[in-house]
Amino acid sequence: DTGVSQNPRHKITKRGQNVTFRCDPISEHNRLYWYRQTLGQGPEFLTYFQNEAQLEKSRLLSDRFSAERPKGSFSTLEIQRTEQGDSAMYLCASSRTLSSGNTIYFGEGSWLTVV
Amino acid sequence: GQSLEQPSEVTAVEGAIVQINCTYQTSGFYGLSWYQQHDGGAPTFLSYNALDGLEETGRFSSFLSRSDSYGYLLLQELQMKDSASYFCAVRGNQAGTALIFGKGTTLSVSS
Repeated sequence: DTGVSQNPRHKITKRGQNVTFRCDPISEHNRLYWYRQTLGQGPEFLTYFQNEAQLEKSRLLSDRFSAERPKGSFSTLEIQRTEQGDSAMYLCASSRTLSSGNTIYFGEGSWLTVV
Repeated sequence: GQSLEQPSEVTAVEGAIVQINCTYQTSGFYGLSWYQQHDGGAPTFLSYNALDGLEETGRFSSFLSRSDSYGYLLLQELQMKDSASYFCAVRGNQAGTALIFGKGTTLSVSS
């Protein structure tokens, strides 16, 4: 169990640029989640996958955000035409389908700063 | 949708006991979870209640009352390392949907 891995850990980008984050979940986990967290707030749900299928997306998720999990393993989260309001930590988490105790395992997050 | 309310901050001293409350609203209920997050770190799972009552895990306990849509996390014998943010979370409207988190309670433990 190597844990959930995210990269890059930090990204500074200019407003209007596109950025992509990658998440490698725990290998036997078929569910993968993306959350966003800003200072002083809890993780805000963005979207989740079961295997390669994207099963749920937050209504708050702008159409500038897109996520993929093409082979049911790693996932990417792309933000197009970044805005300063996109500055946040983007957290990936994974779990088994029927995880005991609602347990999901988070990565260390990818910090995005839009200047 | 779902909503969770918890206090924004709690302070305590080493060795004390502290209780962090959480009230929730959700159309379906599939358990209340607690996660801990240290500054700059990832949230990590602490505890889970699906049924009413108290669940104990070492110095931490979690309680649930489904009739009151209420739960709490109890931290005993506080240590400086317990200074962190604590989040309660519920699963969405259907079993199997994503966890929805509260805004978190920042616990500061002083000596």
